[in-house]
Amino acid sequence: GDSVTQMEGPVTLSEEAFLTINCTYTATGYPSLFWYVQYPGEGLQLLLKATKADDKGSNKGFEATYRKETTSFHLEKGSVQVSDSAVYFCALSAREYGNKLVFGAGTILRVKS
Amino acid sequence: GAVVSQHPSWVICKSGTSVKIECRSLDFQATTMFWYRQFPKQSLMLMATSNEGSKATYEQGVEKDKFLINHASLTLSTLTVTSAHPEDSSFYICSARGGNGNTIYFGEGSWLTVV
Repeated sequence: GDSVTQMEGPVTLSEEAFLTINCTYTATGYPSLFWYVQYPGEGLQLLLKATKADDKGSNKGFEATYRKETTSFHLEKGSVQVSDSAVYFCALSAREYGNKLVFGAGTILRVKS
Repeated sequence: GAVVSQHPSWVICKSGTSVKIECRSLDFQATTMFWYRQFPKQSLMLMATSNEGSKATYEQGVEKDKFLINHASLTLSTLTVTSAHPEDSSFYICSARGGNGNTIYFGEGSWLTVV
């Protein structure tokens, strides 16, 4: 079945460092891809999404590009802040599976000042 | 914005007892709610899809008699873990599909520890 693999955390960075969180997926069809973020004590929030190959999702300085050839959707940010400390989840949904969300394990990001 | 709230955030129960977790959509009506569980360092796994007024649809491998899901109103779904055992200890999270039908909002999650 469809699956999502994320880099294992925690990822610890200093403020203003460059962030990459890797995400690759396995899917039989053409899924939509998502990044969700969960701040401490809060629910998951949609950070960005891409619905077809070569689409770039972006929000709050974060970006991810849907790469069909490498089946990847890596999350990047040029300069992280302490307030970006959270858990980041990569996910996909596919029409073949009723558009249910399939999540990766999540990656903890810790940003130090 | 839309908010989904879960209660309790943390619960500890004795082995053999039952525990109920509530999931509420606070400012919108949710015809569909989803329940997930997550073990440490593993993915969020969908347990069941809950539609208001009808029986939940469980994912393969999820025991419907052990994880009772009720979606009695458009703003409330409950997950009851019956006869809990230590292996049921996990992080449970719900989500609800918003009024526009396209956006999914997540609750904060509930930590269950069975001792």
